[in-house]
Amino acid sequence: GDSVTQMEGPVTLSEEACLTINCTYTATGYPSLFWYVQYPGEGLQLLLKATKADDKGSNKGFEATYRKETTSFHLEKGSVQVSDSAVYFCALSPNYGGSQGNLIFGKGTKLSVKP
Amino acid sequence: DGGITQSPKYLFRKEGQNVTLSCEQNLNHDAMYWYRQDPGQGLRLIYYSQIVNDFQKGDIAEGYSVSREKKESFPLTVTSAQKNPTAFYLCASSSDRTSSKFFGPGTRLTVL
Repeated sequence: GDSVTQMEGPVTLSEEACLTINCTYTATGYPSLFWYVQYPGEGLQLLLKATKADDKGSNKGFEATYRKETTSFHLEKGSVQVSDSAVYFCALSPNYGGSQGNLIFGKGTKLSVKP
Repeated sequence: DGGITQSPKYLFRKEGQNVTLSCEQNLNHDAMYWYRQDPGQGLRLIYYSQIVNDFQKGDIAEGYSVSREKKESFPLTVTSAQKNPTAFYLCASSSDRTSSKFFGPGTRLTVL
């Protein structure tokens, strides 16, 4: 079945460092891809999304590009801030069949940014 | 302000008791969802509803029940049949099944 694999954390960075969180997926067809962020004790917020190959999602300095050839959707940010400390989830949504529209999540990557 | 509310934020239950978690949205969304989150795990889908008076089982529906009598409300009951109910429960909604999901703040359930 469809699945998402993302790099295990925790990831600890110094402020202004570069961030990459790897995410790869297995799916039939062309799913939509998402990154969600969860701050401590809160629900999930949609960070960015891409719905077709080569699309780039971006928001708040974060970017991710839908790479069909490598089945990847890596999250990147050029300069992280302490306020970016959170858990980041990669997810896919099938665009076919009975599971269409449902979200399938990776296990999450905890990011801690130190001043 | 439009959004999703979940109550209570923290809930404690004794073994053998049923408990109902509330989820309300004022976004006029047709679709609503319940997810379970365990430490170090992604979210897993419990139930979803695409329209009033209709709902479908997700990946881990055993030991849970839902109702969708109103568009705004999608309560989740955790029954005594759920073997490991201690978890963080998240409700979400979307305008339709394929649109982006918006999440509530969650309810942390602890079984004593």
